[in-house]
Order: sequence, then structure tokens, then C-alpha cells
Amino acid sequence: EAGVTQFPSHSVIEKGQTVTLRCDPISGHDNLYWYRRVMGKEIKFLLHFVKESKQDESGMPNNRFLAERTGGTYSTLKVQPAELEDSGVYFCASSHGLNTEAFFGQGTRLTVV
Amino acid sequence: AQRVTQPEKLLSVFKGAPVELKCNYSYSGSPELFWYVQYSRQRLQLLLRHISRESIKGFTADLNKGETSFHLKKPFAQEEDSAMYYCALVPAGNNRKLIWGLGTSLAVNP
Repeated sequence: EAGVTQFPSHSVIEKGQTVTLRCDPISGHDNLYWYRRVMGKEIKFLLHFVKESKQDESGMPNNRFLAERTGGTYSTLKVQPAELEDSGVYFCASSHGLNTEAFFGQGTRLTVV
Repeated sequence: AQRVTQPEKLLSVFKGAPVELKCNYSYSGSPELFWYVQYSRQRLQLLLRHISRESIKGFTADLNKGETSFHLKKPFAQEEDSAMYYCALVPAGNNRKLIWGLGTSLAVNP
């Protein structure tokens, strides 16, 4: 069974540009989570989808971040325009149910220069 | 405030020595506690959850509500245990977001 897949694995963009990260969850997993780890800080929750609906987006830093999960399958996280402080590793995780194990992708390392 | 504290950024032990990775949490209710591990060049994966009361790869962790701790222990460390270990909690209720500690890098030396 394929695990959670994230694209790209690395992205280097200039300040002001737009970047879109993609996450393909495990097939059949209704729950999809985005997390971010900024260097030197804890991994922080960004948001949680249940199917195509945003269950909790309390962790989204600001309105430069837009997450979507059209059709309840893969999800995208767009940063527009990117700022230097957006650099970090963005993790996606999925789970079948709320109380079941969440499986993580390998992460996307975003560097804004 | 909900918080997870891992006081050690780096822990270095010799193979065969006991290891304890500390985790303390701050939460007013009854959280669910987890340990995640990330081996070199691999993805984050669940190691233990306190409700399972399992021993995985020789690791155990006991939730101590009085001390608000969930320390990870292994009596005899192996070189393959070298990895980044994260303690995390999920608050009670339907919100399943993980609240993470900073992580502890464990190095097991031969």
C-alpha cells in the first residue's frame, strides 16, 4: 500500500513568489493534516481536513496560506506571496478515523530566499 | 496552555546502556500522549501511544499524571535506535491535532 506522498520534496523560491505543495494521503483516509516545522521550533499544526471539509484551520499562520482538498482526495497548500519566515518543512499526515494512527509523508522542505 | 517539553535536544549514550528520553506536558485535562520517531532519511512514524501500553522495539513509556510526564525508556540501547524522537499530545475531545515537543536527537554510540 502506498504511503502518504508529498510533492515536491524540496522547493527553493524567492520572496514574493507563489508555491504550491501537494499531499496525496493514503487511499481511503478521510482525515488529512498539515503541519509545519520551522527551524529551531516545534512542529506546529496548520489544519485538518475531514474529506473535503476544513475541520480545523486554527493553525494557519495568515491569509497568505490557502489549503484545499477538492473531492476529498489529495490536498494542496498554497503560499502566496511567500515570505522568508515561511521557510521550513511542511508535513502532511492522514488517518482513516479520528482515533486511528496518523501516517506521515516525507515532508516538503521549503526555502524562501 | 497546552505544551509539550522535551528538555534534552541531544542525548548521547553507548550501545547497551539504558536510555531515557524525557517528556513533560502541560494540559489541564486528560490528553492522549504519543512518541514519534524519525530515523535518518525516513518519515515520521508512530512509536508508542500511551493508551496502547505496548512495548515497541524495546521502548516503553508510562504516563505519570501526577508528574505530567511521559518519559520514553529502553533498558539497553542499540545503534539502530539513533534517531530523532518527538513527544506529542492530543487534547481530549474531537480535535485530533498533535501538539509537539521540540524533539530529542538520540545518538547511540558503538
